[in-house]
Amino acid sequence: SYVLTQPPSVSVAPGQTARITCGGNNIGSKSVHWYQQKPGQAPVLVVHDDTDRPSGIPERFSGSNSGNTATLTISRVEAGDEADYYCQVRDSSSDSYVFGNGAKVTVL
Amino acid sequence: EVQLVESGGGLVKPGGSLRLSCAASGFTFTNAWMSWVRQAPGKGLEWVGHIKSKPDGGTTNYAAPVKGRFSISRHDSRNTVYLQMNSLKTEDTAVYYCSTISTVTTSLFAFDIWGQGTMVTVSS
Repeated sequence: SYVLTQPPSVSVAPGQTARITCGGNNIGSKSVHWYQQKPGQAPVLVVHDDTDRPSGIPERFSGSNSGNTATLTISRVEAGDEADYYCQVRDSSSDSYVFGNGAKVTVL
Repeated sequence: EVQLVESGGGLVKPGGSLRLSCAASGFTFTNAWMSWVRQAPGKGLEWVGHIKSKPDGGTTNYAAPVKGRFSISRHDSRNTVYLQMNSLKTEDTAVYYCSTISTVTTSLFAFDIWGQGTMVTVSS
């Protein structure tokens, strides 16, 4: 089955840029989606199809995807961005869905 | 307002059964693909299964750990999707989220609406 690998944690100072990676075999050929989950809350879709933001998501959230790595970038990080972030793809060969292991973003 | 509300969670003994419900509102449910995603305490997100809309065949698929034990169904006139869980194991303990697939976004198979989740605890 398809595996997505994220770093367990990313630390960033307020106002700086956080980059969260998601590694997978030839992930650049897939559509990657990103979710933010704060403690005790349901996940929220923040980027879909590599680069698109749903309505209401700040422009500070952006994404890219190429080769074996997809990246979620959070610019001008705020304290409220502290959360777990998950990447996700669909595995069309098995009609199933795969999540990354999640990355905890800590704002210093 | 687009909303999903799960119910039916609780404490069940190993080997027991439980049925979760997810009531949808604010969008055209009959055309929506629906999914269940779970999260064990302190762990990451795990896809459980999905059901396509009836116009798209209404078929289901499940993750390997639950295949043969869990089943998903839908009642379109009630705007509700169900997760029937049988032969429950302690490792099924988790918050279970209901979600839509590519319903309010132009995404390719993203989970774009989530419910608040319902806790299922499997313990003797």
